[in-house]
Amino acid sequence: GAVVSQHPSWVICKSGTSVKIECRSLDFQATTMFWYRQFPKQSLMLMATSNEGSKATYEQGVEKDKFLINHASLTLSTLTVTSAHPEDSSFYICSAATSHYNEQFFGPGTRLTVL
Amino acid sequence: AQTVTQSQPEMSVQEAETVTLSCTYDTSESNYYLFWYKQPPSRQMILVIRQEAYKQQNATENRFSVNFQKAAKSFSLKISDSQLGDTAMYFCALDGNQFYFGTGTSLTVIP
Repeated sequence: GAVVSQHPSWVICKSGTSVKIECRSLDFQATTMFWYRQFPKQSLMLMATSNEGSKATYEQGVEKDKFLINHASLTLSTLTVTSAHPEDSSFYICSAATSHYNEQFFGPGTRLTVL
Repeated sequence: AQTVTQSQPEMSVQEAETVTLSCTYDTSESNYYLFWYKQPPSRQMILVIRQEAYKQQNATENRFSVNFQKAAKSFSLKISDSQLGDTAMYFCALDGNQFYFGTGTSLTVIP
């Protein structure tokens, strides 16, 4: 089956620093990758959609200057949380798809804690 | 606009019994896909079952089956012979022109 990895799985950082989360499709080429945020006991909230080689499309209310997304290759997308603050603490999940109407394959998630 | 509604925040079922999780949706797309995902305590999202809207036959995967009522825009998940490992959050999702998740149903299987 299609495998998606995320690194790191858990990161703790100080307020004001930046954190980069990597999402990799290990055994397939992902034309589209998605970034979600999930608060405890809540559903996944789509933050942005990225296509390889083009700028990400952000959902309404998501600050593109704060959550920088790069999809430089068909197997790698990164999410950088810039100048992180405690309210950015959350569980971030990426997913990858080969085409718009295929299923999404999810990474295991990254728990971000900002002190 | 697309919406996905799961009206049961929490459910429980006795081990080996059958349980049905409800999901309704709304979309203006003529071609779309519906999914049920499971999120166990590990928080890894796992695809349980998928249904293509143009297929009338209900999808089945082992103990998991769906009741897809296209006219009613209903997509319920039936879990037969419930097992302890089925304890998880279950999310219904719609892929039309965008991917939408429902709010989830927390299922507990009681030994």
